[in-house]
Amino acid sequence: GAVVSQHPSWVICKSGTSVKIECRSLDFQATTMFWYRQFPKQSLMLMATSNEGSKATYEQGVEKDKFLINHASLTLSTLTVTSAHPEDSSFYICSAYKDGDYGYTFGSGTRLTVV
Amino acid sequence: DAKTTQPTSMDCAEGRAANLPCNHSTISGNEYVYWYRQIHSQGPQYIIHGLKNNETNEMASLIITEDRKSSTLILPHATLRDTAVYYCIVSPGDMRFGAGTRLTVKP
Repeated sequence: GAVVSQHPSWVICKSGTSVKIECRSLDFQATTMFWYRQFPKQSLMLMATSNEGSKATYEQGVEKDKFLINHASLTLSTLTVTSAHPEDSSFYICSAYKDGDYGYTFGSGTRLTVV
Repeated sequence: DAKTTQPTSMDCAEGRAANLPCNHSTISGNEYVYWYRQIHSQGPQYIIHGLKNNETNEMASLIITEDRKSSTLILPHATLRDTAVYYCIVSPGDMRFGAGTRLTVKP
């Protein structure tokens, strides 16, 4: 199968601090990973597309200096929420693509609460 | 914006077939139709995908119209655990999600 591990599954941090979320493809190499955020009772909103070894492509309205994305290897992408504020509290989800039957596989999500 | 539109919500009786429609009238020739579902506070789960032929797996069937402008996901015998939000998307090239369909399976 195709498994994507996302860590941590939940985190609480203080305003002004930074939080890093990891997304790993466990049994396949992912040239492209995607990051989403989701507010309660809303759909997933694409934040950025991350390609291994290059800069991420951010969606309009997403601050690239606030949401730092690093895709240093074919199995790991990280999202760092810098100087977090309560309005950044959300459910963050990553996805990785594998050619073949599995297509896009999603992580289990990270619930970020900024206090 | 997402390239798909779906009804906001649907109900289905337990044990009956659930038919979830999706419109993707601007789909390109090389784009696949993917279906996922999301249960509260979890990441989306892959269900099925197809290009132009109908597809079936252990979870569901996917019917794609001949002009590829719409598709229907069929859960043949819905159970209470199938209650979730179902999303269809077209890809590659666009991984933006629409609002999805909230399916409620009732006893």
